[in-house]
Amino acid sequence: EVQLVESGGGLVQPGGSLKLSCAASGFAFSGSAVNWVRRAPGKGLEWVGHIRSRTNNYATLYGASVRGRFTISRDDSKNTAYLQMNSLKIEDTAIYYCMSATTVWGRGTLVTVSS
Amino acid sequence: SYELTQPPAVSVSPGQTARITCSGDGLPKLYTYWYQQRPGQAPVTVIYKDKERPPGIPERFSGSSSGKRATLTISGVQTEDEADYYCQSSDTADSHRGWVFGGGTKLTVL
Repeated sequence: EVQLVESGGGLVQPGGSLKLSCAASGFAFSGSAVNWVRRAPGKGLEWVGHIRSRTNNYATLYGASVRGRFTISRDDSKNTAYLQMNSLKIEDTAIYYCMSATTVWGRGTLVTVSS
Repeated sequence: SYELTQPPAVSVSPGQTARITCSGDGLPKLYTYWYQQRPGQAPVTVIYKDKERPPGIPERFSGSSSGKRATLTISGVQTEDEADYYCQSSDTADSHRGWVFGGGTKLTVL
């Protein structure tokens, strides 16, 4: 079955860190870029960032609101991508989705930043 | 960075045609993608590369692009199509392009 499964969400205090995982199966993960997208309560979709494939040197790019705080990585041997989130802010509270191969989306994992 | 502009809301009756537009200065040169998100669910890609429909997406969903405007058309709207719809393209400011989302359009099926 073609799928992406996110994990690692939870409750964290402002200024804290959290690492999300995105496990892929059923498609050529290693040849595909992985995008992270979030949706905060009452707001629309926001692009967080992406990591490209080995062919594109694993290049990464980030949205302005997370640049310098979030880092995306991947381990193709495990068919898994990661989103390391540091210096978390209350406004980072959202459901985080990973997406790959144009049409494959995970179900999302909830991150709540609150004291 | 630049913006993609969508109408906040569109309402249609079942069986009618819904058209959701997306405007942006970069669209003449860049592909547009459309995503459907029902309440409490993950997004679903309904159109990619302006007009391509993924397997499993009903034929009533179609996409087009002309100049600075892209359009998602849903012909013969069904109640299950009630959802938020987002267009997405690339940020023209970067040679290695990031993504930009429109603000989303809430489709209500009356």
